[in-house]
Amino acid sequence: GESVGLHLPTLSVQEGDNSIINCAYSNSASDYFIWYKQESGKGPQFIIDIRSNMDKRQGQRVTVLLNKTVKHLSLQIAATQPGDSAVYFCAENLDKAAGNKLTFGGGTRVLVKP
Amino acid sequence: ETGVTQSPTHLIKTRGQQVTLRCSSQSGHNTVSWYQQALGQGPQFIFQYYREEENGRGNFPPRFSGLQFPNYSSELNVNALELDDSALYLCASSSPWQGKDTQYFGPGTRLTVL
Repeated sequence: GESVGLHLPTLSVQEGDNSIINCAYSNSASDYFIWYKQESGKGPQFIIDIRSNMDKRQGQRVTVLLNKTVKHLSLQIAATQPGDSAVYFCAENLDKAAGNKLTFGGGTRVLVKP
Repeated sequence: ETGVTQSPTHLIKTRGQQVTLRCSSQSGHNTVSWYQQALGQGPQFIFQYYREEENGRGNFPPRFSGLQFPNYSSELNVNALELDDSALYLCASSSPWQGKDTQYFGPGTRLTVL
């Protein structure tokens, strides 16, 4: 995954609004994609996943969209809450037979304004 | 909470020293993956252990080594520490060959090399 160093892209969103976080993945052979949320000082927390045979999956307040044609993944958070403030990472898994290795994107920081 | 635990929480070492980090996997998971996360970046895959053997390795030198034990817990060893080894070290557990592809992360060990 690409690195953006210390200057993570930041999405500022008003509490109650919807958030959309985008991610471009690198390998067209990847078959499994995951979104993780990471709060300061903690490990990544699983949010939602999607397999390559799907283009949309919904969870509680979250939706993941997969566009394999342009190798693009997005995470939509409905009615964003202060507790959603964190860094969000997309990750791709190339091939389960290759050992379930995850390749992470550089991350997007979400700041929720009250 | 994911059920994945790591120890210690924080560690300070000096250049040239050796360090051992530990990880206990979530109940029912037989695979442990290790990642290095530098400040402001996404996690980078180090290696994965399955059935007590290394099963896939990222772009890390041989001074990064590991073990997995019969109870599926794992250790990460780093020899001849360098300043650039300062990072958050994350382990994640899963059971990809039993249909449990999702990797659940522990809280991490923060290593500082002086």
